[in-house]
Amino acid sequence: RKEVEQDPGPFNVPEGATVAFNCTYSNSASQSFFWYRQDCRKEPKLLMSVYSSGNEDGRFTAQLNRASQYISLLIRDSKLSDSATYLCVVRKDTGKLIFGQGTTLQVKP
Amino acid sequence: ETGVTQSPTHLIKTRGQQVTLRCSSQSGHNTVSWYQQALGQGPQFIFQYYREEENGRGNFPPRFSGLQFPNYSSELNVNALELDDSALYLCASTLGPGVGEQFFGPGTRLTVL
Repeated sequence: RKEVEQDPGPFNVPEGATVAFNCTYSNSASQSFFWYRQDCRKEPKLLMSVYSSGNEDGRFTAQLNRASQYISLLIRDSKLSDSATYLCVVRKDTGKLIFGQGTTLQVKP
Repeated sequence: ETGVTQSPTHLIKTRGQQVTLRCSSQSGHNTVSWYQQALGQGPQFIFQYYREEENGRGNFPPRFSGLQFPNYSSELNVNALELDDSALYLCASTLGPGVGEQFFGPGTRLTVL
């Protein structure tokens, strides 16, 4: 079983839709949690960190449930420019990043 | 731009050959990590270098090796290339192991024929 699991999708949604991605991790000793965004054939870029208290950055909301070992990302009012692959990431205390497979989002006009 | 650079951008090799990929870390960063990303998969951790020493390794065979130089730039070497080594190779730099955000370079796309 992979340490970080995501539904690869693709998720095809119309502009303006709300879409949610989920991710589970198996190692309870995992330290920190993130969502990264990766555009086609480009490097991953940090989208946001994820905290147990939940955090919001504009149209994006991330949530961590340590008891269930579950991470979520909610995107409201989807834009065409949100089309990308979203990677769920766990960071160990050494700094090693464990990536999920990624979830592909395609926002259509 | 992250300030992390990688060379070359693209590379084509044949099975059995050897390859060296290069990474220059962001100014002030002393830690470099390397990742392999196969098509349709998330990046997988290869190893990390901190102050010129290997500081953790993922599940990759010994034919994957690396170096870090006094200026904290780094190399990834792969010997006896196999078809499955075809992937995007990413390096990322940080202020220290587990410290701060990892900034990724644009990657080197390696094709093994």
